[in-house]
Amino acid sequence: NAGVTQTPKFQVLKTGQSMTLQCAQDMNHEYMSWYRQDPGMGLRLIHYSVGAGITDQGEVPNGYNVSRSTTEDFPLRLLSAAPSQTSVYFCASRPRYTEAFFGQGTRLTVV
Amino acid sequence: DQQVKQNSPSLSVQEGRISILNCDYTNSMFDYFLWYKKYPAEGPTFLISISSIKDKNEDGRFTVFLNKSAKHLSLHIVPSQPGDSAVYFCAASAHNTDKLIFGTGTRLQVFP
Repeated sequence: NAGVTQTPKFQVLKTGQSMTLQCAQDMNHEYMSWYRQDPGMGLRLIHYSVGAGITDQGEVPNGYNVSRSTTEDFPLRLLSAAPSQTSVYFCASRPRYTEAFFGQGTRLTVV
Repeated sequence: DQQVKQNSPSLSVQEGRISILNCDYTNSMFDYFLWYKKYPAEGPTFLISISSIKDKNEDGRFTVFLNKSAKHLSLHIVPSQPGDSAVYFCAASAHNTDKLIFGTGTRLQVFP
Protein backbone atom coordinates (compact mmCIF):
# COMPACT_ATOMS: atom_id res chain seq x y z
CA ASN A 1 0.00 0.00 0.00
CA ALA A 2 1.76 3.16 -1.25
CA GLY A 3 -0.37 5.68 0.70
CA VAL A 4 0.25 9.25 -0.50
CA THR A 5 2.86 9.64 -3.22
CA GLN A 6 4.35 13.00 -4.19
CA THR A 7 6.55 13.73 -7.19
CA PRO A 8 9.09 15.15 -7.67
CA LYS A 9 10.97 15.08 -4.34
CA PHE A 10 13.18 18.03 -5.30
CA GLN A 11 12.78 20.78 -7.90
CA VAL A 12 14.59 23.98 -8.81
CA LEU A 13 12.70 26.54 -10.88
CA LYS A 14 13.58 29.89 -12.34
CA THR A 15 11.38 32.85 -11.52
CA GLY A 16 8.44 32.95 -13.89
CA GLN A 17 8.48 29.27 -14.80
CA SER A 18 5.43 27.12 -14.24
CA MET A 19 5.24 23.58 -12.96
CA THR A 20 2.91 20.98 -11.49
CA LEU A 21 3.52 19.10 -8.26
CA GLN A 22 1.92 15.68 -8.42
CA CYS A 23 0.05 13.95 -5.61
CA ALA A 24 -1.65 10.57 -5.74
CA GLN A 25 -3.29 8.45 -3.04
CA ASP A 26 -4.48 4.87 -3.22
CA MET A 27 -6.65 4.81 -0.08
CA ASN A 28 -9.86 6.07 -1.71
CA HIS A 29 -9.93 9.07 0.60
CA GLU A 30 -12.45 11.82 -0.15
CA TYR A 31 -10.46 14.68 1.26
CA MET A 32 -7.10 15.84 -0.14
CA SER A 33 -5.10 18.95 0.61
CA TRP A 34 -1.86 20.78 -0.07
CA TYR A 35 0.28 22.48 2.58
CA ARG A 36 3.49 24.41 2.53
CA GLN A 37 5.98 24.35 5.38
CA ASP A 38 8.16 27.38 6.02
CA PRO A 39 10.46 28.08 9.00
CA GLY A 40 8.50 29.58 11.88
CA MET A 41 5.22 29.37 9.97
CA GLY A 42 4.24 25.75 10.50
CA LEU A 43 2.10 23.99 7.92
CA ARG A 44 -0.17 26.36 6.04
CA LEU A 45 -3.09 25.12 3.98
CA ILE A 46 -2.94 26.14 0.30
CA HIS A 47 -5.94 24.39 -1.31
CA TYR A 48 -8.10 21.45 -0.46
CA SER A 49 -10.70 19.19 -2.03
CA VAL A 50 -13.58 17.20 -0.52
CA GLY A 51 -14.09 15.04 -3.59
CA ALA A 52 -13.65 14.81 -7.35
CA GLY A 53 -14.67 18.06 -9.01
CA ILE A 54 -14.75 20.03 -5.74
CA THR A 55 -11.91 22.29 -4.60
CA ASP A 56 -11.62 25.26 -2.27
CA GLN A 57 -9.04 27.74 -1.06
CA GLY A 58 -7.07 27.40 2.12
CA GLU A 59 -5.05 29.98 4.07
CA VAL A 60 -2.46 30.86 1.38
CA PRO A 61 -3.95 30.12 -2.09
CA ASN A 62 -2.46 32.95 -4.15
CA GLY A 63 -0.16 31.84 -6.98
CA TYR A 64 -1.43 28.25 -6.94
CA ASN A 65 -4.13 26.37 -8.84
CA VAL A 66 -5.59 22.95 -8.21
CA SER A 67 -8.07 20.60 -9.84
CA ARG A 68 -9.49 17.21 -8.82
CA SER A 69 -10.66 15.18 -11.77
CA THR A 70 -10.31 11.81 -10.00
CA THR A 71 -10.46 10.62 -6.39
CA GLU A 72 -6.81 9.52 -6.56
CA ASP A 73 -5.02 12.60 -7.93
CA PHE A 74 -4.72 16.18 -6.71
CA PRO A 75 -2.06 18.15 -8.62
CA LEU A 76 -0.84 21.57 -7.50
CA ARG A 77 0.09 24.04 -10.24
CA LEU A 78 2.41 26.99 -9.83
CA LEU A 79 1.44 29.40 -12.57
CA SER A 80 4.46 31.75 -12.50
CA ALA A 81 6.98 30.76 -9.84
CA ALA A 82 8.30 33.42 -7.46
CA PRO A 83 11.11 33.21 -4.87
CA SER A 84 8.45 33.54 -2.14
CA GLN A 85 7.18 30.10 -3.21
CA THR A 86 10.44 28.46 -2.16
CA SER A 87 9.19 25.98 0.42
CA VAL A 88 8.56 22.35 1.24
CA TYR A 89 5.18 21.21 -0.05
CA PHE A 90 3.15 18.40 1.49
CA CYS A 91 0.11 16.67 0.11
CA ALA A 92 -2.28 14.92 2.48
CA SER A 93 -5.37 12.76 2.20
CA ARG A 94 -7.94 11.69 4.78
CA PRO A 95 -11.33 10.14 5.12
CA ARG A 96 -13.73 12.77 6.40
CA TYR A 97 -13.45 13.67 10.09
CA THR A 98 -10.36 11.56 10.83
CA GLU A 99 -6.60 11.96 10.71
CA ALA A 100 -4.74 12.95 7.55
CA PHE A 101 -1.97 10.92 5.93
CA PHE A 102 0.92 12.87 4.44
CA GLY A 103 3.27 12.33 1.54
CA GLN A 104 7.05 12.66 1.89
CA GLY A 105 7.11 16.21 0.58
CA THR A 106 8.50 18.15 -2.38
CA ARG A 107 11.32 20.60 -1.71
CA LEU A 108 10.97 23.47 -4.18
CA THR A 109 13.53 26.21 -4.73
CA VAL A 110 12.74 29.20 -6.94
CA VAL A 111 15.78 31.19 -8.04
CA ASP B 1 -4.69 35.48 11.63
CA GLN B 2 -3.28 32.31 13.17
CA GLN B 3 -6.19 30.17 14.36
CA VAL B 4 -3.96 27.51 15.92
CA LYS B 5 -0.96 28.67 17.94
CA GLN B 6 1.99 26.91 19.49
CA ASN B 7 3.77 29.59 21.46
CA SER B 8 6.85 27.58 22.37
CA PRO B 9 9.11 27.08 19.34
CA SER B 10 11.30 24.62 21.22
CA LEU B 11 11.43 22.43 24.32
CA SER B 12 14.30 20.49 25.83
CA VAL B 13 13.61 17.59 28.23
CA GLN B 14 15.72 14.96 29.90
CA GLU B 15 15.15 11.34 28.97
CA GLY B 16 12.65 9.67 31.30
CA ARG B 17 10.92 12.89 32.30
CA ILE B 18 7.60 14.28 31.10
CA SER B 19 7.36 16.42 27.97
CA ILE B 20 4.41 18.83 27.82
CA LEU B 21 3.63 20.52 24.53
CA ASN B 22 0.95 23.20 24.42
CA CYS B 23 -1.42 24.49 21.79
CA ASP B 24 -4.05 27.26 21.79
CA TYR B 25 -6.82 27.89 19.31
CA THR B 26 -9.13 30.80 18.62
CA ASN B 27 -11.94 29.32 16.50
CA SER B 28 -14.75 28.07 18.76
CA MET B 29 -16.10 25.98 15.85
CA PHE B 30 -13.13 23.59 16.04
CA ASP B 31 -14.32 20.22 17.36
CA TYR B 32 -11.57 17.77 16.43
CA PHE B 33 -7.93 18.12 17.42
CA LEU B 34 -4.85 16.18 16.43
CA TRP B 35 -1.12 15.98 17.15
CA TYR B 36 1.44 15.13 14.53
CA LYS B 37 5.14 14.34 14.77
CA LYS B 38 7.61 15.27 12.07
CA TYR B 39 11.19 14.14 11.52
CA PRO B 40 13.48 16.03 9.10
CA ALA B 41 12.97 15.20 5.41
CA GLU B 42 9.82 13.21 6.17
CA GLY B 43 6.11 13.95 6.05
CA PRO B 44 4.21 14.52 9.31
CA THR B 45 2.86 11.37 10.94
CA PHE B 46 -0.28 11.17 13.06
CA LEU B 47 0.16 10.65 16.79
CA ILE B 48 -3.11 11.07 18.64
CA SER B 49 -6.41 12.90 18.37
CA ILE B 50 -9.28 14.04 20.54
CA SER B 51 -12.87 14.99 19.88
CA SER B 52 -14.44 17.97 21.61
CA ILE B 53 -16.82 15.65 23.46
CA LYS B 54 -13.85 14.37 25.48
CA ASP B 55 -11.31 16.11 27.68
CA LYS B 56 -8.62 13.41 27.64
CA ASN B 57 -7.37 10.69 25.33
CA GLU B 58 -4.51 8.28 26.00
CA ASP B 59 -2.43 6.10 23.72
CA GLY B 60 0.53 4.45 25.41
CA ARG B 61 3.04 7.12 26.44
CA PHE B 62 1.00 9.88 24.78
CA THR B 63 -1.93 11.69 26.38
CA VAL B 64 -3.81 14.65 24.95
CA PHE B 65 -5.81 16.96 27.20
CA LEU B 66 -8.46 19.37 25.93
CA ASN B 67 -9.73 22.39 27.85
CA LYS B 68 -12.55 23.79 25.74
CA SER B 69 -13.31 26.76 27.95
CA ALA B 70 -9.70 27.91 27.68
CA LYS B 71 -9.41 26.84 24.01
CA HIS B 72 -6.26 24.97 24.96
CA LEU B 73 -4.88 21.51 24.38
CA SER B 74 -1.71 19.83 25.49
CA LEU B 75 0.25 16.71 24.65
CA HIS B 76 1.99 14.84 27.45
CA ILE B 77 4.72 12.32 26.68
CA VAL B 78 5.70 10.11 29.60
CA PRO B 79 8.41 8.93 29.81
CA SER B 80 10.22 10.91 27.15
CA GLN B 81 12.70 9.02 24.99
CA PRO B 82 15.48 10.26 22.67
CA GLY B 83 13.50 8.93 19.68
CA ASP B 84 10.76 11.42 20.56
CA SER B 85 13.03 14.25 19.42
CA ALA B 86 11.13 15.80 16.50
CA VAL B 87 8.88 18.73 15.61
CA TYR B 88 5.35 18.39 16.97
CA PHE B 89 2.38 20.06 15.31
CA CYS B 90 -1.10 20.44 16.69
CA ALA B 91 -3.99 20.69 14.25
CA ALA B 92 -7.69 21.41 14.43
CA SER B 93 -10.74 21.08 12.25
CA ALA B 94 -14.40 22.02 12.36
CA HIS B 95 -17.03 19.45 11.49
CA ASN B 96 -18.65 21.60 8.87
CA THR B 97 -15.58 22.72 6.88
CA ASP B 98 -13.20 19.75 6.45
CA LYS B 99 -10.23 22.13 6.62
CA LEU B 100 -7.41 20.87 8.84
CA ILE B 101 -5.50 23.86 10.25
CA PHE B 102 -2.04 23.42 11.77
CA GLY B 103 -0.04 25.33 14.32
CA THR B 104 3.54 26.55 13.89
CA GLY B 105 5.15 23.57 15.59
CA THR B 106 7.32 22.92 18.66
CA ARG B 107 10.74 21.32 18.32
CA LEU B 108 11.23 18.79 21.12
CA GLN B 109 14.70 17.62 22.04
CA VAL B 110 15.06 14.75 24.49
CA PHE B 111 18.58 14.45 25.85
CA PRO B 112 20.11 11.51 27.79
